This record gives sequence, structure tokens and C-alpha cells, in this order.
Amino acid sequence: GENVEQHPSTLSVQEGDSAVIKCTYSDSASNYFPWYKQELGKGPQLIIDIRSNVGEKKDQRIAVTLNKTAKHFSLHITETQPEDSAVYFCAAVTSGTYKYIFGTGTRLKVLA
Amino acid sequence: DTAVSQTPKYLVTQMGNDKSIKCEQNLGHDTMYWYKQDSKKFLKIMFSYNNKELIINETVPNRFSPKSPDKAHLNLHINSLELGDSAVYFCASSQGLPISTDTQYFGPGTRLTVL
Repeated sequence: GENVEQHPSTLSVQEGDSAVIKCTYSDSASNYFPWYKQELGKGPQLIIDIRSNVGEKKDQRIAVTLNKTAKHFSLHITETQPEDSAVYFCAAVTSGTYKYIFGTGTRLKVLA
Repeated sequence: DTAVSQTPKYLVTQMGNDKSIKCEQNLGHDTMYWYKQDSKKFLKIMFSYNNKELIINETVPNRFSPKSPDKAHLNLHINSLELGDSAVYFCASSQGLPISTDTQYFGPGTRLTVL
């Protein structure tokens, strides 16, 4: 079945440094790729998304890149801050399959 | 106002009991979902309803029965609870059919602990 691999599972960075999280999906028909941030004790919240007709999208300190040929997409956080510490999930979605396939999550720690 | 709300936030119960979790969304969305997040944080879809009709039913024991009284509510009833049911359950909603890949908005979760 479809799956999404996400790496790394944990990531520690110093405040102000950049963080990169990578996901690889298996279904070449996937066409929507959201990223969610889950803070402790809360539900996942959408932070950025990208559709398959776009290669890159940026929103302030957060950017997502998509390589359809290689079937992978990445989340980039620049100038990290302690409040960026959370678990981040990627997902791949294919129209018509009805399902979000989530990655296994990355626990990001930003050290002050 | 909370867009997707769930009650209760915590639920501790004994094996064999029956319990329900409620979910409500005030976003005017047509589709609602239930997800299970295990201890390793893995998120897996369980059910989805569109306008009160079941459209996704993953391989979930039939002890789990979702009910949608209207499109703003999707409740989850669990019979004969087992230890392996312990997890965090998330409700989510999206504007249209999942086929449209609309963004899903998640509730705060319900932590279920079965003793």
C-alpha cells in the first residue's frame, strides 16, 4: 500500500539555525502535500502545504519544496526559535483515494 | 471559538467498558474524520463521514462504531474496550470530499487510557 517515509525521527538544532525534514512518498499519483505541527497535548495544526503543480512554497520562515520525479518533499525552517519545538508530520494525499497518508513524525527540539 | 472540538480531553476506563467520544466542528465543513495516534505518534485514519454518510472505513474492529447525527458532529463509540485501544484519538474536518484533497483541520485530541 501507499506509505510515506519521514526523516529524521528526532532533530535538535541551536536557536537561530535551520532545520530540514524530509519525506518520501510511494504513490506517484499523490498531488497534495501538507505539513502539520503538533505541540505537546494538542492536535496537529497545518503550517504549510504544497500541490503537485508547484515546486516550492514559502511562508515567512517556513518553506516546502517538492521533487515529483524523486517523489520527495521537504520542510525547511529558518532562524529557528524555541517555540518551533514540536512534532512535525508530513502527509501525501491523492485525489480519489480519500486518505491522508501521514509520515511517522519528526520531533524537533530547538535549543536556546 | 474552537473550530474542531472534542470531549472529553482525557478518558480513563477499565477493560470491557463501553465509552464514547464526541466531536463537533463549527467550520461548516462537509467531511469529518477520526484518527488514532499510537504511543509512537503514528497517525492513522479510522473513519470518514461526508454529510452524515460513511465514506472511509479502514480496517478497524467492529467494536468501534462512528455515528454522525448531522454534518457538524461525528461521535465515536467504542464497545468492550481493550488495552490496545489506549491511544490519542483525533477528530478532523475538511470542506469537501476527501477526493478534493481539501485541508483537514484537527481537534485537540482525546487521550484514552484503558486499564
